[in-house]
Amino acid sequence: DIQVTQSPSSLLASLGERVTITCQTSQSISNNLNWYQQKPGQAPMLLIYYATSLQTGMPSRFSGQYSGRSFTLTITSLEPEDIANYFCLQHYSAPYTFGAGTKLELK
Amino acid sequence: QVNLLQSGAALVKPGASVKLSCKASGYTFTDYYIHWVKQSHGKSLEWIGYINPNSGYTNYNEKFKSKATLTVDKSTNTAYMELSRLTSEDSATYYCTICEGARDYWGQGVMVTVSS
Repeated sequence: DIQVTQSPSSLLASLGERVTITCQTSQSISNNLNWYQQKPGQAPMLLIYYATSLQTGMPSRFSGQYSGRSFTLTITSLEPEDIANYFCLQHYSAPYTFGAGTKLELK
Repeated sequence: QVNLLQSGAALVKPGASVKLSCKASGYTFTDYYIHWVKQSHGKSLEWIGYINPNSGYTNYNEKFKSKATLTVDKSTNTAYMELSRLTSEDSATYYCTICEGARDYWGQGVMVTVSS
């Protein structure tokens, strides 16, 4: 199985701050990684697919990059509505595997 | 628009089984695989497996092979997941989802509580 290591597990940030979350995979998955945002009581919502593509309707302050087995989600300027949990998902090969999540909180 | 409507919350006794449903609408049911995902205590997510609604082909996470059974009913555009021999470890929220590039849709989730 492909392991996905997500960091940090929690993050305190201020409004307007740049935020970066990382997922590292145990083997190469090309660009087969998605990023999701999840708020309490809600289903995950797709932010970024195929590592770098912004989902329609998602704010442009969200972006994804990757290099080799390292993937990053960046929020360029944190807004109040961005306070949530964030997960990555590798869908290169079954079993698909998720990162453990990052809880983003307001400083 | 695509909608995945899941059945309501379930309270089940240890050792019993439960069958969760996921009714799809807004697209051709056989166009996309349906995946199932487990989320325990609002924390991390686990992929259970997927089913091809057209052929019925399934692909399970080894961890859930003896726990989950995925089926579909094409006549009602509904996917099902049956969980068997339930224990407290199975208490969680379960989601059905379509996950194909930008075509990414999730049901609202169903909470399963295993308790005597």
